Amino acid sequence: ETGVTQSPTHLIKTRGQQVTLRCSSQSGHNTVSWYQQALGQGPQFIFQYYREEENGRGNFPPRFSGLQFPNYSSELNVNALELDDSALYLCASSLAANNEQFFGPGTRLTVL
Amino acid sequence: GQNIDQPTEMTATEGAIVQINCTYQTSGFNGLFWYQQHAGEAPTFLSYNVLDGLEEKGRFSSFLSRSKGYSYLLLKELQMKDSASYLCAVRSPNDYKLSFGAGTTVTVRA
Repeated sequence: ETGVTQSPTHLIKTRGQQVTLRCSSQSGHNTVSWYQQALGQGPQFIFQYYREEENGRGNFPPRFSGLQFPNYSSELNVNALELDDSALYLCASSLAANNEQFFGPGTRLTVL
Repeated sequence: GQNIDQPTEMTATEGAIVQINCTYQTSGFNGLFWYQQHAGEAPTFLSYNVLDGLEEKGRFSSFLSRSKGYSYLLLKELQMKDSASYLCAVRSPNDYKLSFGAGTTVTVRA
């Protein structure tokens, strides 16, 4: 059974640019949640997708957007990057919205 | 809003016991999770409590008191590989999102 995978592992962007991060959920999981983890902090919830629909959103501005595809993989898009967007972005999948979440290895984004 | 507090750092000796406390004040509650996160890696699930009491899983145990907004993670027979950050997270009842504390860095010394 393949676990949650994310790509790329590392990324460097400059202020104002746009970025797309990708996540493949664990086999059979239909729910994907995205988190931002700044250095020395706990993960902060960005949003969750359940069967291709957004199913809850945290306190992040609209320039953070996402998609979930029919195979339940997901993308996180961030427009107009700011320095404070530098963080580890974690994707977690679960069998359903109220089940245990399994985390991927994360994408380390650096904004210069 | 969500407010989840846990100590920043703890140090213990190999073979000893360490207890990591977590207090929470949240607008809703649908379970409390503990995750382990090694530096540069993803969080991995350790335990889940939704009812009051103690859940034991090998060397790790977790306790919950909903009336006190309090949980602890107990790590017994500490090993060097237990050096990591331990994250307490509360799940919301409506959208099932996890709200995390800042994490407790545990250092195990020989």
